[in-house]
Amino acid sequence: EPEVTQTPSHQVTQMGQEVILRCVPISNHLYFYWYRQILGQKVEFLVSFYNNEISEKSEIFDDQFSVERPDGSNFTLKIRSTKLEDSAMYFCASKDKQETQYFGPGTRLLVL
Amino acid sequence: QKEVEQDPGPLSVPEGAIVSLNCTYSNSAFQYFMWYRQYSRKGPELLMYTYSSGNKEDGRFTAQVDKSSKYISLFIRDSQPSDSATYLCAVYGSSNTGKLIFGQGTTLQVKP
Repeated sequence: EPEVTQTPSHQVTQMGQEVILRCVPISNHLYFYWYRQILGQKVEFLVSFYNNEISEKSEIFDDQFSVERPDGSNFTLKIRSTKLEDSAMYFCASKDKQETQYFGPGTRLLVL
Repeated sequence: QKEVEQDPGPLSVPEGAIVSLNCTYSNSAFQYFMWYRQYSRKGPELLMYTYSSGNKEDGRFTAQVDKSSKYISLFIRDSQPSDSATYLCAVYGSSNTGKLIFGQGTTLQVKP
């Protein structure tokens, strides 16, 4: 069964450093998403991406965040200058024209 | 008012019990209602979704939507220890970008 994959599974970084979280969505999917989940809190939408552009972003997704689909398979989330409060699980998701959104296993980001 | 509200629990039941998990939502424009299951430190996994009002059954799981009261439910029959997880209700936002809005999640423990 096709699945969304994410790398790395864990990332530890120093405050102020740049991180890139990588995702490989399901191959025929057209819509891509990033969500995050701070420990003990709800899953929060960050950004949606379709047709090579951002279709919606949340107020969390400020100028330090960016997304890119550099080739036909990868979908990346870059955090330019990490803050302590960026520590969270980051989930990538994808879907086709149907309503089912499939999530990856997540990247646990810890900012020290 | 939060868009989707869910009692975080925890909820503890004996094996074989019928479990009822519930959420309320605020926006009557929401049409798609999802239930995800999340095991500890894993990504959300879609259990089932319903469109508009009514019931949908899949094995031991039944999803129910009452749009008049803005209330969504998930029933688990003959609960098993393997059902122990966090159950997240979610709705598709009204922006048509596929943004999911999640509830807090209810942690369920099924004791053998």
